[in-house]
Amino acid sequence: AQSVTQPDIHITVSEGASLELRCNYSYGATPYLFWYVQSPGQGLQLLLKYFSGDTLVQGIKGFEAEFKRSQSSFNLRKPSVHWSDAAEYFCAVGAGAAGNKLTFGGGTRVLVKP
Amino acid sequence: DAGVIQSPRHEVTEMGQEVTLRCKPISGHDYLFWYRQTMMRGLELLIYFNNNVPIDDSGMPEDRFSAKMPNASFSTLKIQPSEPRDSAVYFCASSSSGTALYGYTFGSGTRLTVV
Repeated sequence: AQSVTQPDIHITVSEGASLELRCNYSYGATPYLFWYVQSPGQGLQLLLKYFSGDTLVQGIKGFEAEFKRSQSSFNLRKPSVHWSDAAEYFCAVGAGAAGNKLTFGGGTRVLVKP
Repeated sequence: DAGVIQSPRHEVTEMGQEVTLRCKPISGHDYLFWYRQTMMRGLELLIYFNNNVPIDDSGMPEDRFSAKMPNASFSTLKIQPSEPRDSAVYFCASSSSGTALYGYTFGSGTRLTVV
């Protein structure tokens, strides 16, 4: 069965600083990988996804993620954080038919200091 | 497109009462998922449907939980009887077959409080 680990429960970053969120997955085949963001009181919004091709993928809101098969990782990055990026971020791996069954990591809560 | 619509947004009920959560997926999406989110357990997949048929309900915690999808535009998640430990945010999401690339579209969730 697939699994996702997000080692960092909380991260605090200063506005304007760079951000990197870690994600490690376990899956027997080529994975579909996703990052979602959840703002307080809201549902989850898709930031970006990877399924094949270029291992560096660009998403919305200036985020990018890099797939590293050798490390089973799919880390999320943003060069310069804005206060509006304060939220909880979830990494997910897709399995099943067309990767439609998603398994989520435990999430990383990002706090942005002024 | 109105997105995935869940109702109610908030529900407070007394222990032992029946609770019904509702979801309207995006038109044309043929996968529908119910997730539960708690502080302790994070996001858990409860059940998912494909073309209105339940495919995997292994995440449904107990017989007190049941889900139906009578047609392509409506699904319910029912808890009977409800217990305080069922308090959580319940999300519905939908997806189009073959387009896992786009992930899911989530509803805004139903926050359930059982007192």
